[in-house]
Amino acid sequence: EDQVTQSPEALRLQEGESSSLNCSYTVSGLRGLFWYRQDPGKGPEFLFTLYSAGEEKEKERLKATLTKKESFLHITAPKPEDSATYLCAVQARSGNTGKLIFGQGTTLQVKP
Amino acid sequence: NAGVTQTPKFQVLKTGQSMTLQCAQDMNHNSMYWYRQDPGMGLRLIYYSASEGTTDKGEVPNGYNVSRLNKREFSLRLESAAPSQTSVYFCASTPGLAGTYEQYFGPGTRLTVT
Repeated sequence: EDQVTQSPEALRLQEGESSSLNCSYTVSGLRGLFWYRQDPGKGPEFLFTLYSAGEEKEKERLKATLTKKESFLHITAPKPEDSATYLCAVQARSGNTGKLIFGQGTTLQVKP
Repeated sequence: NAGVTQTPKFQVLKTGQSMTLQCAQDMNHNSMYWYRQDPGMGLRLIYYSASEGTTDKGEVPNGYNVSRLNKREFSLRLESAAPSQTSVYFCASTPGLAGTYEQYFGPGTRLTVT
């Protein structure tokens, strides 16, 4: 069964304190892995798509990496405005339905 | 360009009442999705529509029906609301099924069933 697990559930950082969020997945053939940011009371906002092991993508203080079993979202020198819930999702090759399987998310709080 | 819009933003229902959640996108996308989000459960797919005229069940379809009214609009209906359907509902769209595309989400509808 396709599954996505994110850890930790919650993370508190001081401003400037770098860290990483983990997304472990099992899927019958990975078509793509997606990272989203969700602010309280809003819908998820797309950040990155990763397609194959070894791939990396960056956006401002965020860098996403991918291996055959997991993905990391590295946050370098975070600021309070990076506080949000970060969601990871996978799309399987089988079925060609476009469906995404989401993890439960990691809620990040960055204190000034 | 509004992206994905949802109405209403908030709704309170009594057990047994019915309602329809509306979703529209202006990006000329082919595929549309309905999710529910509950604490600790992540986003779970209720129904999806690969293209105009088609709909399919997702992970948690019981108690819901959908209608793909046209290419822009995809509605979700609760025929007889139950407290277990208290949740935040998100609509999403993507260009199509062929290939790997990110999904674009609406702002959500917060539903409480008492």
